[in-house]
Amino acid sequence: DVKVTQSSRYLVKRTGEKVFLECVQDMDHENMFWYRQDPGLGLRLIYFSYDVKMKEKGDIPEGYSVSREKKERFSLILESASTNQTSMYLCASSSTGVPSTEQYFGPGTRLTVT
Amino acid sequence: AQKITQTQPGMFVQEKEAVTLDCTYDTSDPSYGLFWYKQPSSGEMIFLIYQGSYDQQNATEGRYSLNFQKARKSANLVISASQLGDSAMYFCAMREYNQGGKLIFGQGTELSVKP
Repeated sequence: DVKVTQSSRYLVKRTGEKVFLECVQDMDHENMFWYRQDPGLGLRLIYFSYDVKMKEKGDIPEGYSVSREKKERFSLILESASTNQTSMYLCASSSTGVPSTEQYFGPGTRLTVT
Repeated sequence: AQKITQTQPGMFVQEKEAVTLDCTYDTSDPSYGLFWYKQPSSGEMIFLIYQGSYDQQNATEGRYSLNFQKARKSANLVISASQLGDSAMYFCAMREYNQGGKLIFGQGTELSVKP
C-alpha cells in the first residue's frame, strides 16, 4: 500500500515563526504536491515537484516555499507564519506515465497560527 | 474562471437511497481526466473513481458511478444505496494532461446520510 506520512497532525505556531511541514512517501513516486484546504474553497495547490530539486508554483505560492532534496521527501516552509495561513495542509504524491493514476494523500496537518 | 464547480455545498440523503453529486468542469484541453475523492471527518482523502476524457463508457466502482456528459462538461458522481458511512465531504477534481500531474479541485459537497 502507498503510504504518505506528514510530520504532525496538529500544529500551533506563533505569528512570525518559521514553520516546516514535512511529507514522506514510500512508493518511489516522482510527483509530490502541497495543498491547503479551507472551507468553501476546496483544495488549492501551493507548490508541486516532478523530481528531486525541482519545484513549480501552484495557484497560491505566496508566503510559502518548498524543498525536495530527496525523492521521498517534500517539505513545505512558511518563512514567517501569519494568521491567514491557519489551515489544513495536505501532501500528496503520484507516479508519472499513467494518466489515470490518482494522487495519494497524507493524513493532513491542521496548522493554527496565533 | 473556476475550472471545477460543485454547486451543492451540502446535501442530505436517506439511507439506502441513491444520491447524485454534481460537478461541472471547464477545459480546452481535449485530453483530461476527472476524479472523485471522499474525505470523511477523520480528514484522509480517499480516491473513489476516475473517468478519462476519451473513455466511451461511464466509470463504475462498486456503488459509485460517474455520469459523464462530455458535451455538457459534467461529471456527476452517483452513489447507489447510500450507507451511513457515506457521510463525508466529496471532491471532484480534474487533471489536464498538458498541465502534467496536478489536480484542480472543486469546492466540495458535504453529504449527510440520514438513518
